[in-house]
Amino acid sequence: GENVEQHPSTLSVQEGDSAVIKCTYSDSASNYFPWYKQELGKRPQLIIDIRSNVGEKKDQRIAVTLNKTAKHFSLHITETQPEDSAVYFCAAIGNTGNQFYFGTGTSLTVIP
Amino acid sequence: GAVVSQHPSRVICKSGTSVKIECRSLDFQATTMFWYRQFPKKSLMLMATSNEGSKATYEQGVEKDKFLINHASLTLSTLTVTSAHPEDSSFYICSAPRGGDTEAFFGQGTRLTVV
Repeated sequence: GENVEQHPSTLSVQEGDSAVIKCTYSDSASNYFPWYKQELGKRPQLIIDIRSNVGEKKDQRIAVTLNKTAKHFSLHITETQPEDSAVYFCAAIGNTGNQFYFGTGTSLTVIP
Repeated sequence: GAVVSQHPSRVICKSGTSVKIECRSLDFQATTMFWYRQFPKKSLMLMATSNEGSKATYEQGVEKDKFLINHASLTLSTLTVTSAHPEDSSFYICSAPRGGDTEAFFGQGTRLTVV
């Protein structure tokens, strides 16, 4: 199946600063890349996604960029707030169906 | 968004017993559902794809006889952890795509503790 790598595993930023999380994938046939935010013991919540026919997508303070040639995509959070603190996962959809392969996760801490 | 409900949210069982976890799509039909396992502070690991009316497809390294999956109807998939051991303790979570959507809708997850 797909292999998704995610960096960094932990990230601490000061409130108001930006946070960037990067992922790479292995299967060039993957065409959908969502980002999820997960709080402890809760289900993942979709925060933004991007399809392979688009290079960048933005939703208020959150943006995602995709480089298909290099097979990597990144999550950008600007003007971070303490409530952004959570674990973030990237994912890539498999080439045989709608199963998702998740990155290893990034624990983001926003310091007030 | 679509609603996927998972039950129970928490379960504690004794070693050697079996535990069944249900995943229901409440407002749409799902011919396919996915089961994931998540260890503390770790990522979600795809265990298997549940297919309505046919056998589940398991990821490499996942024991079919250990984790029994049954997709009984278009709105229900069950995961049964058989002969549970303490190392089976984990957070299990299901997801289902809706129709032509690519987005995955997740259940609330089940915290299994085997004592």
